[in-house]
Amino acid sequence: GQNIDQPTEMTATEGAIVQINCTYQTSGFNGLFWYQQHAGEAPTFLSYNVLDGLEEKGRFSSFLSRSKGYSYLLLKELQMKDSASYLCALVNRDDKIIFGKGTRLHILP
Amino acid sequence: DSGVTQTPKHLITATGQRVTLRCSPRSGDLSVYWYQQSLDQGLQFLIQYYNGEERAKGNILERFSAQQFPDLHSELNLSSLELGDSALYFCASSVDSPAGELFFGEGSRLTVL
Repeated sequence: GQNIDQPTEMTATEGAIVQINCTYQTSGFNGLFWYQQHAGEAPTFLSYNVLDGLEEKGRFSSFLSRSKGYSYLLLKELQMKDSASYLCALVNRDDKIIFGKGTRLHILP
Repeated sequence: DSGVTQTPKHLITATGQRVTLRCSPRSGDLSVYWYQQSLDQGLQFLIQYYNGEERAKGNILERFSAQQFPDLHSELNLSSLELGDSALYFCASSVDSPAGELFFGEGSRLTVL
């Protein structure tokens, strides 16, 4: 089986940097996604990590350490529109995509 | 617009009833995934189809069934509905399986009264 842990909620200030952590346990690993979801809307793709290391895409970066079962999403220069839930999702060895419960991020002005 | 179309957007029905949710994947995508999202819950994986065949099954109840048709659209059938089945049901598609990026539809919000 697999297990994904993320903090339930986080709060940060507009213009700041925030790091959202995701730890996982799985019997087989084929990749890790990060998705953004605004309340009542569809999730939208942010990043996909298969190999260890940091991938940067604009204000968002995602890091993966397979040996530690750990990933984080780094959001820089926070904007009010970044208030959303951030979902960590694991691709297991059967290619099932399993989502964590998500981290609700609140941005304060 | 992700290119994935789900209908209906909203559905209100009574306990014991049966409903069908429909999903049209992005043009060219062969894989379709169904997820259930209840209030304050994460996305629960239900089932995946690839090019008409069932590929992977998650925590899908026996009262629920799904299929993918030759034109690649998919339907999720929910029967003997219970109050706890009230949720947002998302369909997502990807080019192939193993998984690539998932593109999600807007979801079908089911309310069971």
